[in-house]
Amino acid sequence: NAGVTQTPKFQVLKTGQSMTLQCAQDMNHEYMSWYRQDPGMGLRLIHYSVGAGITDQGEVPNGYNVSRSTTEDFPLRLLSAAPSQTSVYFCASSYEKYTEAFFGQGTRLTVV
Amino acid sequence: GIQVEQSPPDLILQEGANSTLRCNFSDSVNNLQWFHQNPWGQLINLFYIPSGTKQNGRLSATTVATERYSLLYISSSQTTDSGVYFCAVEDYNNAGNMLTFGGGTRLMVKP
Repeated sequence: NAGVTQTPKFQVLKTGQSMTLQCAQDMNHEYMSWYRQDPGMGLRLIHYSVGAGITDQGEVPNGYNVSRSTTEDFPLRLLSAAPSQTSVYFCASSYEKYTEAFFGQGTRLTVV
Repeated sequence: GIQVEQSPPDLILQEGANSTLRCNFSDSVNNLQWFHQNPWGQLINLFYIPSGTKQNGRLSATTVATERYSLLYISSSQTTDSGVYFCAVEDYNNAGNMLTFGGGTRLMVKP
């Protein structure tokens, strides 16, 4: 049972480049979300999804785009990377509302 | 939105010592989890505990939902307990999987 899998683990981008962070879960969870963690801080919600075809914004959505075409996958897109998006990104999933959330191993992104 | 405060922000222990970490939250919650972020950055689930008391080995947790706080107890600490401990909550007003995290407690256990 792989749980929540994120790829890549590390990435360096130049300012203005675009990329997609991948997140997949094999637990048949309906709820998925993306968080970012900045140095010395807790995690902040970027976007979330309550099921295939349904997404919504979190606390810090600017500069990011998401879609949810399948239950398993929830990719996060950076359309034009900026240095302020240098962070560690975590994907999470849970079975339904108010149930235990499980996190992927994180993607460390540096934008130069 | 809901506020989550953790204390202390930093804690240094000698191996074998016990400790209590606290998480206060500003509104009623339906979900509360404790995580350990290890030195490699991985978030490890410790407890899913919206109310009551749970124990797992040397760790235990208690959430008193009516008084809006949760405690994480670490007994006989080991160097492998080092890292950052996060409390995260999901309140009644949340539309989805929206955990709000506290700022964390950074724990260092010295041999």
